[in-house]
Amino acid sequence: GAVVSQHPSWVICKSGTSVKIECRSLDFQATTMFWYRQFPKQSLMLMATSNEGSKATYEQGVEKDKFLINHASLTLSTLTVTSAHPEDSSFYICSAVTYQETQYFGPGTRLLVL
Amino acid sequence: AQSVTQPDIHITVSEGASLELRCNYSYGATPYLFWYVQSPGQGLQLLLKYFSGDTLVQGIKGFEAEFKTSQSYFKLRKPSVHWSDAAEYFCASFGNEKLTFGTGTRLTIIP
Repeated sequence: GAVVSQHPSWVICKSGTSVKIECRSLDFQATTMFWYRQFPKQSLMLMATSNEGSKATYEQGVEKDKFLINHASLTLSTLTVTSAHPEDSSFYICSAVTYQETQYFGPGTRLLVL
Repeated sequence: AQSVTQPDIHITVSEGASLELRCNYSYGATPYLFWYVQSPGQGLQLLLKYFSGDTLVQGIKGFEAEFKTSQSYFKLRKPSVHWSDAAEYFCASFGNEKLTFGTGTRLTIIP
């Protein structure tokens, strides 16, 4: 099946720094990618929809300036957590949608902000 | 608005025993429903999906799901679980161009 990768798989950073997470579709092109956030023992919450070549669409309550999303190509979307704080610590998951509208998920990135 | 609920937070099953995970949905029209499994260090993997038609859907790894409109449920089943089935299971519905996930059910397998 199709493969979606995320890098890094985990990251620890100091409060106030910015962290970039990459999401790549390895063997297919994805015009749409999604970014989710998952808190411990909770469900995945959709943060934003990333469309190649256009601005991301953010879900209600998600700060656009805090979570910058760039979908620069059909195989790459990035999520940058700006000025990260401990409350941003979470598990971030991306997914990519094929032309057949099947959604494949990345393995996730665990962020810990100290 | 569409929503799915998973009433069981944690289920423990003996290896070889049968499994049933519950998912209830709330949606105006016929929903598109999915079951995903999440294992540590791996991305969510689609087990099966329901769009329309037969109420019994076959998936991968020996899983199947029953969709019942009258009772608004989409139950995941497996006749005999293996230790490798221990994971987090999520029910999801698709509508308004996005997936909405349930809170998940953690499955523990005991020998």
